[in-house]
Amino acid sequence: DAKTTQPPSMDCAEGRAANLPCNHSTISGNEYVYWYRQIHSQGPQYIIHGLKNNETNEMASLIITEDRKSSTLILPHATLRDTAVYYCIVRGYNFNKFYFGSGTKLNVKP
Amino acid sequence: ETGVTQTPRHLVMGMTNKKSLKCEQHLGHNAMYWYKQSAKKPLELMFVYNFKEQTENNSVPSRFSPECPNSSHLFLHLHTLQPEDSALYLCASSQEGTEGTDTQYFGPGTRLTVL
Repeated sequence: DAKTTQPPSMDCAEGRAANLPCNHSTISGNEYVYWYRQIHSQGPQYIIHGLKNNETNEMASLIITEDRKSSTLILPHATLRDTAVYYCIVRGYNFNKFYFGSGTKLNVKP
Repeated sequence: ETGVTQTPRHLVMGMTNKKSLKCEQHLGHNAMYWYKQSAKKPLELMFVYNFKEQTENNSVPSRFSPECPNSSHLFLHLHTLQPEDSALYLCASSQEGTEGTDTQYFGPGTRLTVL
């Protein structure tokens, strides 16, 4: 399974866009990129996923580079409730397995 | 709400007790999972059930015993636990079999404390 690398923490001002990077340079052609977030002591919440094309939903946008070696999760207008740990996950060949690393702690500040 | 419920939300037990954690999914999914999250550590996959059959056991000690009586319910039976087993236990479900649609949806978790 491809490994992901994320910065341990980031700060963002409330109302501004939060751009969370993820490197997955060993990703295979049939592996998807998933993003989840976990607000303190709650279950992880699904945000978005993609394969090659950029994706957008009501929560966020996912930008995947053309070579697929990195991606960026964009929260267009961060609020204090977006403060959480964000996990970038590459889903392996065994579709059951999601490997959660340490993620990025996003601190949204007033 | 994700459609995955877990009970109890909090549990305190002694090392000699026997207790069970319950998970129920209302999403019509065919796969269910148990994860463990210890303090300041990443989530660890414990067990996977596909169509009620256990397909994954990540070297979990036998004091943790899963049970999946049907595709909507998953239990984790606990006995003679150790204090280091104190953690957040998370249940998830997904619809396996169609590529790209097997997103896992998590319950709120059970916070377990072993005294």
